[in-house]
Amino acid sequence: EVQLLESGGGLVQPGGSLRLSCAASGFTFSNYAMSWVRQAPGKGLEWVSAISASGTSTYYVDSVKGRSTISRDNSKDTLYLQMNSLRADDTAVYHCAKIFGSGGYFPDYWGQGTLVIVSS
Amino acid sequence: EIEMTQSPATLSVSPGERATLSCRASQSVSTNLAWYQQKPGQAPRLLIYGASTRATGIPARFSGSGSGTEFTLTISSLQSEDFAVYYCQQYNNWPRAFGQGTKVEIK
Repeated sequence: EVQLLESGGGLVQPGGSLRLSCAASGFTFSNYAMSWVRQAPGKGLEWVSAISASGTSTYYVDSVKGRSTISRDNSKDTLYLQMNSLRADDTAVYHCAKIFGSGGYFPDYWGQGTLVIVSS
Repeated sequence: EIEMTQSPATLSVSPGERATLSCRASQSVSTNLAWYQQKPGQAPRLLIYGASTRATGIPARFSGSGSGTEFTLTISSLQSEDFAVYYCQQYNNWPRAFGQGTKVEIK
């Protein structure tokens, strides 16, 4: 069974930093691309970032480009999202998602998410 | 950037009835379109990919159609567990984009 467990969220002041983690199990982590998708309170889904299986290719939505870094440690089956210069509009639940095996970068399994609140 | 627009925002349907949800892309995404279901407090669940292929374990009452810029998700006979928010997502271009969602509620 695929399991994705996010951690690292919390309350942070504007301009601060956070590092989100996602521990994966139930599949061969190193074979799959991964992504982060966020959902502001009461709002819809927003794709944030993705990373290839090897970690050599990364993708970001414009609103986080230059402020966030996605990475992975395939020896630890763990995905990360380093977020800097956080703003109020970064407040959201951040979901880790496994990318479908072939034929396109879309998520097929999602974690429950970790809540990030950016507020003074 | 491709924009995805879903309609209607809310759909009121009686159990057992058919529900038809629409998703429009601002430019062609071929058939690189997925649909997700999200219930309150839960993570999204993949329903459809490739515009019309059901994901593993998804009941046959869910079907998807369309290509290019116009897509439809049909739930043939709504069950109580189907009342939820549904999102479409294009994966033809970067950045990936979701529609704003359609809430299917009990009439």
